[in-house]
Amino acid sequence: GAVVSQHPSRVICKSGTSVKIECRSLDFQATTMFWYRQFPKQSLMLMATSNEGSKATYEQGVEKDKFLINHASLTLSTLTVTSAHPEDSSFYICSVTTIGEAGVTGELFFGEGSRLTVL
Amino acid sequence: AQKITQTQPGMFVQEKEAVTLDCTYDTSDQSYGLFWYKQPSSGEMIFLIYQGSYDEQNATEGRYSLNFQKARKSANLVISASQLGDSAMYFCAMREGYSSASKIIFGSGTRLSIRP
Repeated sequence: GAVVSQHPSRVICKSGTSVKIECRSLDFQATTMFWYRQFPKQSLMLMATSNEGSKATYEQGVEKDKFLINHASLTLSTLTVTSAHPEDSSFYICSVTTIGEAGVTGELFFGEGSRLTVL
Repeated sequence: AQKITQTQPGMFVQEKEAVTLDCTYDTSDQSYGLFWYKQPSSGEMIFLIYQGSYDEQNATEGRYSLNFQKARKSANLVISASQLGDSAMYFCAMREGYSSASKIIFGSGTRLSIRP
């Protein structure tokens, strides 16, 4: 498996400011990480696939200039919500898969999630 | 088009009874994987069980089993002898393909409540 740590777990910010969320793979070198967003009482929606050393792949409808993703190393991916607005308030959760290793099922290992509240 | 469908928004079950959570999927890939996750009110995502498209036998993990009906494209989760701690949101998910870039998408979820 993989242990994924996400920070901060909760953040409150004013409208118009930027917020950075870190996702660390503590015991696995992750060339790919996935970022999801979850609104209250809804499902997880894939925002983007973070690729180590290259640009992230964004899902349709996700603004790449608003949600900046950087995957500078095999253990760290960051999501920056730029010029945050109240509608960006959500639960953001990152994940790692160990697919490619022999015998693994390829399930996602999730961070603890970051709850963003924009005032 | 929605690829993962969970038709039960909420379910109430008596403690110690078995419960089946429905999931249907749609894909044209021959190679895919199906997953179930549990999300308690704390928000963490807990992996429960996996079924590969080529697996001939239904997956089982303790009290969890996956009723895989490939021709019907269904992957229902069965929880035997339910416990109060089973109360949570349950998500069915699917991965098309088998690479590190293969995305996993989730259904809308079922909120399971266990009555004492």
